[in-house]
Amino acid sequence: GDSVTQMEGPVTLSEEAFLTINCTYTATGYPSLFWYVQYPGEGLQLLLKATKADDKGSNKGFEATYRKETTSFHLEKGSVQVSDSAVYFCALSPSGGGADGLTFGKGTHLIIQP
Amino acid sequence: DAGITQSPRHKVTETGTPVTLRCHQTENHRYMYWYRQDPGHGLRLIHYSYGVKDTDKGEVSDGYSVSRSKTEDFLLTLESATSSQTSVYFCAISVGDNYGYTFGSGTRLTVV
Repeated sequence: GDSVTQMEGPVTLSEEAFLTINCTYTATGYPSLFWYVQYPGEGLQLLLKATKADDKGSNKGFEATYRKETTSFHLEKGSVQVSDSAVYFCALSPSGGGADGLTFGKGTHLIIQP
Repeated sequence: DAGITQSPRHKVTETGTPVTLRCHQTENHRYMYWYRQDPGHGLRLIHYSYGVKDTDKGEVSDGYSVSRSKTEDFLLTLESATSSQTSVYFCAISVGDNYGYTFGSGTRLTVV
């Protein structure tokens, strides 16, 4: 079945550092890929998405590129802030839409120190 | 922001008792989902619904049932709560193919 693998962390960085959170996936066909963010005590919020190979999703300074050849969707940000501290989830939706549920990675806890 | 609310936000219950969690949406979306979140497991799908009275099982459905008698409400029932069902439960709605999901704020359930 489909699966998503990401580092669990915690990942601890200093403010203004460069961020990479790796995400790789296993799926048949051409899934859509997502990054979600969860702040303490809250639900998940969609951060960015990409629906086909070589698409780049971006939002709030975060970027991720859909790489079919390496089955990856790594999340990057050039200069992180304390307010970026959260848990980040990579997820996929099977080919043809996500009506029967997204598959999530286990989440990466990111801590940004001032 | 899609209107989706979960109730209750927190609940403590005893082993063996039935528990029902409610998810309510205000925007008439067809697809609704229940997930549980546990450390080391991420989010796992319990049940989902395609529409009124149309539901299906997810990855971790044992011990759970759902009902959807109205488009706006999706209920999750733990028939006889166990300590292994202590978790944070999230409801989600799909706002369209490839658009991702909108999540509620979650229900923290503790079974003692």
